[in-house]
Amino acid sequence: AQKITQTQPGMFVQEKEAVTLDCTYDTSDPSYGLFWYKQPSSGEMIFLIYQGSYDQQNATEGRYSLNFQKARKSANLVISASQLGDSAMYFCAMRGEMDSSYKLIFGSGTRLLVRP
Amino acid sequence: DVKVTQSSRYLVKRTGEKVFLECVQDMDHENMFWYRQDPGLGLRLIYFSYDVKMKEKGDIPEGYSVSREKKERFSLILESASTNQTSMYLCASSPAAANIQYFGAGTRLSVL
Repeated sequence: AQKITQTQPGMFVQEKEAVTLDCTYDTSDPSYGLFWYKQPSSGEMIFLIYQGSYDQQNATEGRYSLNFQKARKSANLVISASQLGDSAMYFCAMRGEMDSSYKLIFGSGTRLLVRP
Repeated sequence: DVKVTQSSRYLVKRTGEKVFLECVQDMDHENMFWYRQDPGLGLRLIYFSYDVKMKEKGDIPEGYSVSREKKERFSLILESASTNQTSMYLCASSPAAANIQYFGAGTRLSVL
């Protein structure tokens, strides 16, 4: 069965430093997609970045990059130059397999706190 | 910008009440979703709709039903609310062939 594992319930980072949020996944589907979402205290889930399993390069979106290591089944999110506004919950997600490809499977999340 | 609007941010209901959570999207998306979010569990899919009047059960449909009479609106119904349905409920939408889902701000429901 598919599974997303985020082993860091909470993390601190100093403002302006980089931080890596861990995500490992398990799937038997040869084609899959991985996502990261941010959830500030306001509650809305904000899409950050997407990586397809056959993409040759790691995805980047501004200060966000996805460190995709297929053999290790990891898809870590790297935030460079952290800002106070980056304090939020971060969720890793995977597209469902085959007949369930419409849905997303989410990890339990990591709470990031950026210190001034 | 895609906008997904959930009618209430906070709701307090009593056990046994029938509860309606409403969600509207303005981007003509085919797919709409209802999730519940609980601490330590992430988001879990309750129901999914891929077209008007079409619905599919998600991972935790028990105790819930849904209605999609118009493309832009997807309602989650708790037929008889129970305390274990106290949770954060998130609605999302996506285009038919796309994976990225766009979320509303959530409804925090308390059942007393």
